Amino acid sequence: KQEVTQIPAALSVPEGENLVLNCSFTDSAIYNLQWFRQDPGKGLTSLLLIQSSQREQTSGRLNASLDKSSGRSTLYIAASQPGDSATYLCAVLISGTYKYIFGTGTRLKVLA
Amino acid sequence: DGGITQSPKYLFRKEGQNVTLSCEQNLNHDAMYWYRQDPGQGLRLIYYSQIVNDFQKGDIAEGYSVSREKKESFPLTVTSAQKNPTAFYLCASSIIVGGETQYFGPGTRLLVL
Repeated sequence: KQEVTQIPAALSVPEGENLVLNCSFTDSAIYNLQWFRQDPGKGLTSLLLIQSSQREQTSGRLNASLDKSSGRSTLYIAASQPGDSATYLCAVLISGTYKYIFGTGTRLKVLA
Repeated sequence: DGGITQSPKYLFRKEGQNVTLSCEQNLNHDAMYWYRQDPGQGLRLIYYSQIVNDFQKGDIAEGYSVSREKKESFPLTVTSAQKNPTAFYLCASSIIVGGETQYFGPGTRLLVL
């Protein structure tokens, strides 16, 4: 059974710091992996999608990497800003299914 | 503006009552999904639909029902059989099922009176 874990559960950093959020999954048979952002009481916004054949994706100050063999993905946020404060979730799409398995998220707070 | 709308934002259910959550999208997506989010837990899939008049159970379908009579609409009914319905419900859509970015609505918070 696929399980997705995100560590740490919560993180506070000063503005301007570069940071890394971690996502690990137990079964490497995935089709893709997505990183989402969720603001309190709101829906999810897709940040980056990495196909299983890719190693990384970049969008602005965000860079996501994928190491399928070790079951790990990282989301790198450069020069963090208070507006980056949110919960970040990763989700993996199990190969051969239409099902995304979500992690429980990392709650990020960037202090001004 | 294209997107997904969910209504209402808050919904209160009385004991033994069925309630229906609305989800509408104007993205021309074939696939739609319903997730439940509980504090400290990841999203869990309730139902998904690949195409009009077709839908499949997810991991936690018991106590819920759906319909997909129109491409734009995928309403979720929380029946009285769902004994612990208090949660945040999220609707999503994608161009096709699997392999594509999912776009999420703003969510409906269901509370039990």
